[in-house]
This record gives sequence, C-alpha cells and structure tokens, in this order.
Amino acid sequence: EAGVTQSPTHLIKTRGQQATLRCSPISGHTSVYWYQQALGLGLQFLLWYDEGEERNRGNFPPRFSGRQFPNYSSELNVNALELEDSALYLCASGGPGGETQYFGPGTRLLVL
Amino acid sequence: RKEVEQDPGPFNVPEGATVAFNCTYSNSASQSFFWYRQDCRKEPKLLMSVYSSGNEDGRFTAQLNRASQYISLLIRDSKLSDSATYLCVVRENYGQNFVFGPGTRLSVLP
Repeated sequence: EAGVTQSPTHLIKTRGQQATLRCSPISGHTSVYWYQQALGLGLQFLLWYDEGEERNRGNFPPRFSGRQFPNYSSELNVNALELEDSALYLCASGGPGGETQYFGPGTRLLVL
Repeated sequence: RKEVEQDPGPFNVPEGATVAFNCTYSNSASQSFFWYRQDCRKEPKLLMSVYSSGNEDGRFTAQLNRASQYISLLIRDSKLSDSATYLCVVRENYGQNFVFGPGTRLSVLP
C-alpha cells in the first residue's frame, strides 16, 4: 500500500512569491494534516482537512491556506512568502476515526 | 505553559543502556497519546500509541499517568539505530488536532 506522498520534494522561491504544496493521503484516509517544521524547531500545526472541509487551523496568518479535493488529496498555499517561511512542510493523513496519523516525506521550502 | 512539554535533552547514552523519556501535557481532557520518532531531516514515524494500562513493544515500554498528566517512554538495551528525536504527541479527542511536543534527541554511542 502506498504511503503519504508529497510534492515537490524541494521548492525554492523568492520573497513575495506564492508557493503551492501538494499531498496525497494513504488510500482510504479522509483526513489530511499540515505542519510546519522550521530548522531545529518542533512541528507546528497548520491546518486539518477532513472530508473536504477545514476542521481546524493553527496559529498562522491567513496567507497560509489550503483545500482538500474530492479524492482527499490536499493543497497548501502560502502567499506573499517571507524569509521565515523557509521550513520543512509535512503532511500527514489519518483514517476514519483519525486515531493516528502517518506522515509524508515533506516538502522543503526555501525562501530567498 | 506549553501544551506538551518534554525533557530538553539531548541524551547521549552508550549502547545497551536503558533510557527514559518524560512528557507532560496541560489539557486534562486529552484522550489519545503517542510516541513518534523523527530521524534527522526525515518525517516523524509512529513508534507506539500509549494506553492507560501501559504497553510494551519489544524493547520499548510506554506508560500513561492520567492523574499526573504524564507520559513516559522507556527504551531498554538501546541500539545505535535508536538515535533519533522522540516526539510526544497528545490529542484531546477526534474533533481536535494533534499537539506535538518539542522532542528529545537521543544519541546512542558505540
């Protein structure tokens, strides 16, 4: 069974640009969680989507947004990129009941 | 106070040692508890869920004390491959997101 996939693996942008990150959950999983992990820091919760709807949002500005598609894949958009947005962005998927979550390999975003 | 706190680490231990990780959480309504490990520059991987009765998986033992809002992870006979950052994770209920602790780094030395 395929695990959680994320694309791209690496992304380089400049300040002010927009970044789009993608995630495909494990087959049968309906929840997608997004996290930001800056270098040397812990995981910070960004967004949670389930059944196509945003269920919860972390303490991030509105320029961090996303959506979940009917096939449960998800997209994270970051507008007006700032240098401090440089981080590893991790996506995790959870099955019905959402007892545990499984992570994808992440997208490394570098903002220059 | 942070929602989930862990030993600051790092822990440097010789092969074969027993090492214990501690975690405390602030939300008494939390229902689900987990330990994840994260290797350097990799994604977190689920190590084990933590149940009220305590649970064991090979060399790993997890304990939960709801009264004290405390979770522990014990690794016996540590191996070089156990070197990683160990993350304590708590969830209030299905309607809430997962909250990750800052992690404790372990280095097992030959």
